[in-house]
Amino acid sequence: ETGVTQTPRHLVMGMTNKKSLKCEQHLGHNAMYWYKQSAKKPLELMFVYSLEERVENNSVPSRFSPECPNSSHLFLHLHTLQPEDSALYLCASSHGQGAYEQYFGPGTRLTVT
Amino acid sequence: DQQVKQNSPSLSVQEGRISILNCDYTNSMFDYFLWYKKYPAEGPTFLISISSIKDKNEDGRFTVFLNKSAKHLSLHIVPSQPGDSAVYFCAATGHSGGGADGLTFGKGTHLIIQP
Repeated sequence: ETGVTQTPRHLVMGMTNKKSLKCEQHLGHNAMYWYKQSAKKPLELMFVYSLEERVENNSVPSRFSPECPNSSHLFLHLHTLQPEDSALYLCASSHGQGAYEQYFGPGTRLTVT
Repeated sequence: DQQVKQNSPSLSVQEGRISILNCDYTNSMFDYFLWYKKYPAEGPTFLISISSIKDKNEDGRFTVFLNKSAKHLSLHIVPSQPGDSAVYFCAATGHSGGGADGLTFGKGTHLIIQP
């Protein structure tokens, strides 16, 4: 595998379900990010991890819970979501330490029913 | 309030001509700007970037221009090719000094290259 991978690519879940999104980067980067892209809206930053520590939480509801067990893996745990949380969730990574270019995975298309 | 604006949702350009995509920003703290390209069902792909200490950066067919006083940047693609048809996102970030910095994105411009 190369670059940034995300699984699953598509997910349909009910409002009472608990699911997790997984991201893995094979680029040797130190920073990882979660973004959300809703219809007709720009990509919105959700969380930033640098060297496995969360450095930014962009006022995201607690029903979204990130986890970064090591510098290569990032998870987004989902529980009791709402239909308006349906969106494309994108993971990205970067070198960190002032290297601003971020490299994105293909995203997970989430539908909450 | 949107801090990065791409006011043209779509742009149609003939193959071989120049494509010019525009982006405006409002936050004076932004000091690094990036352009991404996105095909359907794929994540955004980094294209080219520019630091606020420069006013131009060129990479092959792609050139980004930055006008700090106007808080405006543009991406020029010349000559335009059919494979350039995609959604282009402008993004910006400020140098917090902390290492990892999130990007602020515009809504994107859908570029269509006509044969």
